[in-house]
Amino acid sequence: GQNIDQPTEMTATEGAIVQINCTYQTSGFNGLFWYQQHAGEAPTFLSYNVLDGLEEKGRFSSFLSRSKGYSYLLLKELQMKDSASYLCAAGGYQKVTFGTGTKLQVIP
Amino acid sequence: NAGVTQTPKFRVLKTGQSMTLLCAQDMNHEYMYWYRQDPGMGLRLIHYSVGEGTTAKGEVPDGYNVSRLKKQNFLLGLESAAPSQTSVYFCASSYTGLALKGGTYNEQFFGPGTRLTVL
Repeated sequence: GQNIDQPTEMTATEGAIVQINCTYQTSGFNGLFWYQQHAGEAPTFLSYNVLDGLEEKGRFSSFLSRSKGYSYLLLKELQMKDSASYLCAAGGYQKVTFGTGTKLQVIP
Repeated sequence: NAGVTQTPKFRVLKTGQSMTLLCAQDMNHEYMYWYRQDPGMGLRLIHYSVGEGTTAKGEVPDGYNVSRLKKQNFLLGLESAAPSQTSVYFCASSYTGLALKGGTYNEQFFGPGTRLTVL
């Protein structure tokens, strides 16, 4: 099975950098996903890590350490529209297990 | 391409009533999933399918049934609705392939959700 932990809520200031951590304990691990979900909407894909290290995509970066069962999502130059929930998900071959999500509030 | 669509978007049921939620995808994905999302609980997998005619139980399957008669459709049925089934239901589809850097890649594409209330 899978067990995924991430903080419930975070607050950050517009223009700043925020790091959202995720730890996982899993069997059959194939990779780590991050999804963004705005209130009342469906989750949308942000990033995927399968090897250790940092993946950068514009203002968003994601890091994975397989040996530590640890990942983080880094959001730079925060904008008000980044206020959303961020879901960490451990991917297996056929299924993906989601964490409960981190609700990020960006304040002026 | 419409991507993943869900019908209906909203529904209110009385305890004991039955209903079917329809999910359709036009991306030719092999895999399809039904999740429920409740406050503080995250997305929990109800049932999933790895191909036409096949289904499997997820984390919270009790009280639900599914069918995948056509590759593009995945139906979720509630035979006798209970208040505990009040939730937002998301359907998702994915393909599974080899990631460029190794491992298996199965990005999920979500439908807009169905908000179900059982009174």
